[in-house]
Amino acid sequence: GQQLNQSPQSMFIQEGEDVSMNCTSSSIFNTWLWYKQDPGEGPVLLIALYKAGELTSNGRLTAQFGITRKDSFLNISASIPSDVGIYFCAGQLVDRDDKIIFGKGTRLHILP
Amino acid sequence: DTEVTQTPKHLVMGMTNKKSLKCEQHMGHRAMYWYKQKAKKPPELMFVYSYEKLSINESVPSRFSPECPNSSLLNLHLHALQPEDSALYLCASQEQNTGELFFGEGSRLTVL
Repeated sequence: GQQLNQSPQSMFIQEGEDVSMNCTSSSIFNTWLWYKQDPGEGPVLLIALYKAGELTSNGRLTAQFGITRKDSFLNISASIPSDVGIYFCAGQLVDRDDKIIFGKGTRLHILP
Repeated sequence: DTEVTQTPKHLVMGMTNKKSLKCEQHMGHRAMYWYKQKAKKPPELMFVYSYEKLSINESVPSRFSPECPNSSLLNLHLHALQPEDSALYLCASQEQNTGELFFGEGSRLTVL
């Protein structure tokens, strides 16, 4: 079935470093979503992308919808301790309007 | 069994009705979530259950009442809903060690 490949699986970085993670798929999506899960909470929406090539920022976060519609990346600049958590990408399939596929998550750790 | 099963798949109800949505998983996951997805929009988090206890309520109206009777089952009780509550309601569970999310197919609710 359709699946997303999200990488990396986990990251250990120093505070202040930039972070980059991405999702790729063999399927074409018409929407890409990025969710963040804080420790002890549920995944909540960070950024939604609706057009191929779209680049959207939300504070220190920037996400892009790949031109091929098969990938997306999320960058976090100048990481801070509250960026710790699990980041999930999700794609909505072209041929099934409401079907959303989630990646397996990228676990971000920030070293003191 | 790596499935999250949601029933019913479709539900039509009047504004005075009382109904329930059901979600079941037998993967031993102790975190379960309810999401609401309006047409063409991303899923939005409603409730977080951790070890059968409600830990987060994302300011959801009281006409939605969640219940977690045991570690495999999550219900969403509906009463006095409004037409704008019509949406796809998604249940998800989460694997403790990897953080991987498992979503059900959803229950599509129409409120007349």
